[in-house]
Amino acid sequence: EAGVAQSPRYKIIEKRQSVAFWCNPISGHATLYWYQQILGQGPKLLIQFQNNGVVDDSQLPKDRFSAERLKGVDSTLKIQPAKLEDSAVYLCASSLELRSEQFFGPGTRLTVL
Amino acid sequence: AQSVTQLDSHVSVSEGTPVLLRCNYSSSYSPSLFWYVQHPNKGLQLLLKYTSAATLVKGINGFEAEFKKSETSFHLTKPSAHMSDAAEYFCVVSVRGSQGNLIFGKGTKLSVKP
Repeated sequence: EAGVAQSPRYKIIEKRQSVAFWCNPISGHATLYWYQQILGQGPKLLIQFQNNGVVDDSQLPKDRFSAERLKGVDSTLKIQPAKLEDSAVYLCASSLELRSEQFFGPGTRLTVL
Repeated sequence: AQSVTQLDSHVSVSEGTPVLLRCNYSSSYSPSLFWYVQHPNKGLQLLLKYTSAATLVKGINGFEAEFKKSETSFHLTKPSAHMSDAAEYFCVVSVRGSQGNLIFGKGTKLSVKP
């Protein structure tokens, strides 16, 4: 069974630039999550989708971060404009349904210079 | 509010010796608790979970954890460390009433010496 796929794996940008990350969840998984993991810390939930609807985006900095999950499958997370403090690993996870086990992708490591 | 505290940021053991990674939780009710492992350049993987059934939970790769309500602890143990156990370990609590939202501890890096 294929796992959660993410791309790119690494990205380096200048501050004030924009960047987008892509996630393809496990086939059939209705719930999709985006987490931010800053160096030395545990992952923090940014946004959660159930199919193509947002369930929780309370910790998403909406002035610069946006996310969508068109057709309830793939998802993209965008940052515009990026700040130095956005340097982190962005993890995507999916689960079969709400409250079931989450499966994580390898993450995208973002460096903002 | 729920939270978890991992008491050690780094633990170093010799191969073949026991592993103990400590975690305390804060919750006003009986929580759901998890341990995840993260190997370099790989995704987080669920080791084990406690969801109010047996207090001693067995997971993959010989790991187990015991839920102790009186001590608000959920420590992760393994009788004999293997080189492949070297990784970052996260203690996690599920937010009550949430749609499965997880709160992660800061992580404990486990090093295994030959």
